[in-house]
Amino acid sequence: DAGVTQSPTHLIKTRGQQVTLRCSPKSGHDTVSWYQQALGQGPQFIFQYYEEEERQRGNFPDRFSGHQFPNYSSELNVNALLLGDSALYLCASSLEGTETSTDTQYFGPGTRLTVL
Amino acid sequence: TQLLEQSPQFLSIQEGENLTVYCNSSSVFSSLQWYRQEPGEGPVLLVTVVTGGEVKKLKRLTFQFGDARKDSSLHITAAQPGDTGLYLCAGAVSGGSNYKLTFGKGTLLTVNP
Repeated sequence: DAGVTQSPTHLIKTRGQQVTLRCSPKSGHDTVSWYQQALGQGPQFIFQYYEEEERQRGNFPDRFSGHQFPNYSSELNVNALLLGDSALYLCASSLEGTETSTDTQYFGPGTRLTVL
Repeated sequence: TQLLEQSPQFLSIQEGENLTVYCNSSSVFSSLQWYRQEPGEGPVLLVTVVTGGEVKKLKRLTFQFGDARKDSSLHITAAQPGDTGLYLCAGAVSGGSNYKLTFGKGTLLTVNP
């Protein structure tokens, strides 16, 4: 049973550049959420995708955008990178349709983004 | 705004000791998850609690959800070095248009051999 996978594992960019991070959900899951985890902090919710649409967004600027594909995989795009965007970006998947399914999210290993 | 406060923030103990980590909020959650995270990796789900007063056991770990579903605790018995890691609690509010998990800042546990 394949778990949540993310690519790349590490990425180094410079200020002003753009980055795309990728996520494949756990087998059988249809919902993908993205979180940003700064050093020493808990993950912060960026947004969630279900049925190829963004259905909830956290307090992140429009520079953060995403996409979900028909096979449920997802991308996170960040434009005009700032030094403060350096963080571990986590993808989590869940299955819509049961009472607590969306509450229980399974996380991937993350992508470590460093902005210089 | 829903906030989860975890305490203590740091905990360093000797192998064999017992410990309790707390997760508190002024908000009611429909469920609460506990995760363990190791450096450079994603959080790994330990347990989900959904009923007020619920107690779940996972080997030496005991999780409790408060009666009012505003708080939770994690108790570890006879801690081992392999328990070292960042313990995160996360709350969810089901229904409506709220699907996110709200995380605490975590408790960094170090178990010394």
